[in-house]
Amino acid sequence: EAGVVQSPRYKIIEKKQPVAFWCNPISGHNTLYWYRQNLGQGPELLIRYENEEAVDDSQLPKDRFSAERLKGVDSTLKIQPAELGDSAVYLCASSLEGTAGANVLTFGAGSRLTVL
Amino acid sequence: QKEVEQDPGPLSVPEGAIVSLNCTYSNSAFQYFMWYRQYSRKGPELLMYTYSSGNKEDGRFTAQVDKSSKYISLFIRDSQPSDSATYLCAMSDSGTALIFGKGTTLSVSS
Repeated sequence: EAGVVQSPRYKIIEKKQPVAFWCNPISGHNTLYWYRQNLGQGPELLIRYENEEAVDDSQLPKDRFSAERLKGVDSTLKIQPAELGDSAVYLCASSLEGTAGANVLTFGAGSRLTVL
Repeated sequence: QKEVEQDPGPLSVPEGAIVSLNCTYSNSAFQYFMWYRQYSRKGPELLMYTYSSGNKEDGRFTAQVDKSSKYISLFIRDSQPSDSATYLCAMSDSGTALIFGKGTTLSVSS
């Protein structure tokens, strides 16, 4: 069974340019998460989806970040315009639907963004 | 003060050593405690999962949770070079997504 698939794995862009990351979760996993991991830090939640609905986006910088999960499967995370401080690894994870805190997350390999 | 505190290390041990990794937390509502292992340029993978207090053992790995002290530990026995990775503690209550510590980088030399 394929795990969580993310693309691109690496992206280098100039500041003020847009960038988008794509995630395909494990089949049957209704909950999808986007985390950001800065160098030397643990992952920090950006947004959590239950099916198509964003149920927790309190940590998403909405002035420049947007996310969507059409049809409740794949998801896209966009940054426009990118800033130097956005350089990080963007991790997508998925889990079976259930009590949020009890869910076991399966992570993808991440998309590493470098903003020059 | 962050909700979850974890000493980032780095921690270097010889092969065969016993390793102790720890996290403290401030939110008494946390009930679910996990340890994830992350190899370089990979996503985190679940290592241990514990609900509420107590111990859990899986092979060379033992997870302990002390809710009265708000302290969790991961012990690795007979450490191997393949255990060299970053270990992330993570925890949550019933309504929120996981909150992670900074991670501790472990290096096991042969």
